[in-house]
Amino acid sequence: ELKVEQNPLFLSMQEGKNYTIYCNYSTTSDRLYWYRQDPGKSLESLFVLLSNGAVKQEGRLMASLDTKARLSTLHITAAVHDLSATYFCAVDPDSSYKLIFGSGTRLLVRP
Amino acid sequence: NAGVTQTPKFRVLKTGQSMTLLCAQDMNHEYMYWYRQDPGMGLRLIHYSVGEGTTAKGEVPDGYNVSRLKKQNFLLGLESAAPSQTSVYFCASSWSPGSPNQPQHFGDGTRLSIL
Repeated sequence: ELKVEQNPLFLSMQEGKNYTIYCNYSTTSDRLYWYRQDPGKSLESLFVLLSNGAVKQEGRLMASLDTKARLSTLHITAAVHDLSATYFCAVDPDSSYKLIFGSGTRLLVRP
Repeated sequence: NAGVTQTPKFRVLKTGQSMTLLCAQDMNHEYMYWYRQDPGMGLRLIHYSVGEGTTAKGEVPDGYNVSRLKKQNFLLGLESAAPSQTSVYFCASSWSPGSPNQPQHFGDGTRLSIL
């Protein structure tokens, strides 16, 4: 059974600090997606990672993919309160667009 | 610029009642999906469709049925609602896997409570 594990599940951090969220998955996948969800809201696409070594950056967020290690990271630089949300990674193991989601990382950025 | 629209946004049902959730997309996407999200968990795929007139089971299909009579619409039905189906339901749409750089686009969700 394919498993997608994120850690930490909850992260409370101060503004201005850096931190990394990890996403491990248990089977081969060349596609990995990161989404953001605000409370009571829908999912917003952040990054699409399609190959080993892929790195994408948007503002204070940077995502990377290591398909050999079956690991993706979402790095937060100099966090600000507006980044408070739940972040999900999802893999597409057989390239069929049937996504398998992790449990999510709830991020709280404190002043 | 509607994207993916779900109706209704909220609904309370009694055990044994039936209802249909409607999803409509205006992006001409081939693929459509229904997910459920339970507290503290990621989304789990219920059913999906790869084109008009097609449907297929996802990870957690039991107790649900779907139909895709028109390309832009994907319906999720609960024939006899059970408390275990209390959840937030999300619809999504996408291009085919041949366009992997395009992510799935999600609706705003339907909060469904079964008493």
